[in-house]
Amino acid sequence: EVKLVESGGGLVQPGRSLKLSCAASGFSFNDYWMGWVRQAPGKGLEWIGEINQDSSTINYTPSLKDKFTISRDNAQNTLYLQMSKLGSEDTAIYYCARALIYYYDGYYHYYYVMDAWGQGASVTVSS
Amino acid sequence: NTVMTQSPTSMFISVGDRVTMNCKASQNVGTNVDWYQQKTGQSPKLLIYGASNRYTGVPDRFTGSGSGTDFTLTISNMQAEDLAVYYCLQYNYNPRTFGGGTKLELK
Repeated sequence: EVKLVESGGGLVQPGRSLKLSCAASGFSFNDYWMGWVRQAPGKGLEWIGEINQDSSTINYTPSLKDKFTISRDNAQNTLYLQMSKLGSEDTAIYYCARALIYYYDGYYHYYYVMDAWGQGASVTVSS
Repeated sequence: NTVMTQSPTSMFISVGDRVTMNCKASQNVGTNVDWYQQKTGQSPKLLIYGASNRYTGVPDRFTGSGSGTDFTLTISNMQAEDLAVYYCLQYNYNPRTFGGGTKLELK
């Protein structure tokens, strides 16, 4: 069974840092891209970023690029999200997701699917 | 960033209805659009990828269509278990971007 379990969430003061982890099991972790998505209370989904299998490509949404860092440890089957300079606007549930990129014509056209999601880690930024 | 605009933001529906929701991209994204379903208190789930391909295990009452800038998700014969918020996602450009969601509620 594919399983993603986020941890490390909680209450953090404004301006501080926090690191989330996502433990993966039930699949070959180092064969997949992985991503982070967040959802502020009562709001929609926001794509944060993604990392490829060997960490050679990491993409971020521009507004978060200077605050958030995505990394992974394939030996530990774990994805990370390091968050810094946190503000109230970062209060959200943070989801990790497995992302499959499949080139259906061999080299150019591809499908991108986030086909497995964790249960989410709640982060509250407040003094 | 590519902006994905979903409409309507909410719909009041009855079981058995045919439901159609829309997603409009601010630029041409080809067929590089997925649809996700999120039920209250749950994580999102993939429904449709590549604009029109039903993911494994998704009932055939869910149909995606569209290309370029205009996309549609249709639920034929709406079931109570389909009450959820539906999000489109474009992956043609980085950053990937979600639409704001369409919430389905019972009349």
